[in-house]
Amino acid sequence: DIVMTQTPLSLSVTPGQPASISCKSSQSLLHSDGKTHLYWYLQKPGQPPQLLMYEVSNRFSGVPDRFSGSGSGTDFTLKVSRVEAEDVGLYYCMQNIQLPPTFGGGTKVEIK
Amino acid sequence: EVQLLESGGALVQPGGSLRLSCAASGFTFRSYAMSWVRQAPGKGLEWVSVISSSGGSTHYADSVKGRFTMSRDNSKNTLYLQMNSLRAEDTAVYYCAKGSSSWYDRDYFDYWGQGTLVTVSS
Repeated sequence: DIVMTQTPLSLSVTPGQPASISCKSSQSLLHSDGKTHLYWYLQKPGQPPQLLMYEVSNRFSGVPDRFSGSGSGTDFTLKVSRVEAEDVGLYYCMQNIQLPPTFGGGTKVEIK
Repeated sequence: EVQLLESGGALVQPGGSLRLSCAASGFTFRSYAMSWVRQAPGKGLEWVSVISSSGGSTHYADSVKGRFTMSRDNSKNTLYLQMNSLRAEDTAVYYCAKGSSSWYDRDYFDYWGQGTLVTVSS
């Protein structure tokens, strides 16, 4: 199985300041279809996960443009340009270039 | 609006069985692969199983293979997870999740239900 490693484990951010989360995979997520199968989810407290980004850098419907994704191969980053109170929760990266889909361990983002 | 509503979670003894259901609405259910993903208390996300849009193909995590069976009834817009020989380590919130396409290769989960809690304990 592909191992997904996220850092940091937790992040405390002042509102309006940026935040960055790293995700590394144990093998390349670039497929011969030309797509990189790396996704980001946010699980707000008491809620199910919600999709933020698909194929590294595509924002899902309704996701604010303060969220951005980047990276290639095995190294990826999710950035929030200006953190707001509603952005608190657990962030997970996920790969599905091959079954089983696997998730990173999660990064907890809280507000200072 | 896409809605996924899980049900069937309960307290069950080790070795017991349970069937979870997920009622879908707001999209053409028969056109999309569906998955189950679980989350043990205070832990991260673990994919459990996936089924193709037609129901003709399924895959399972090694941790549940041979014990869990996923199925769907496209006429009822409902997804199922039959869970047998339950163990303490199966204790988790179980989410059903909609795939973005009909097949599950290189797919992702664009909508999730609220989850149903399964507790395996004597």
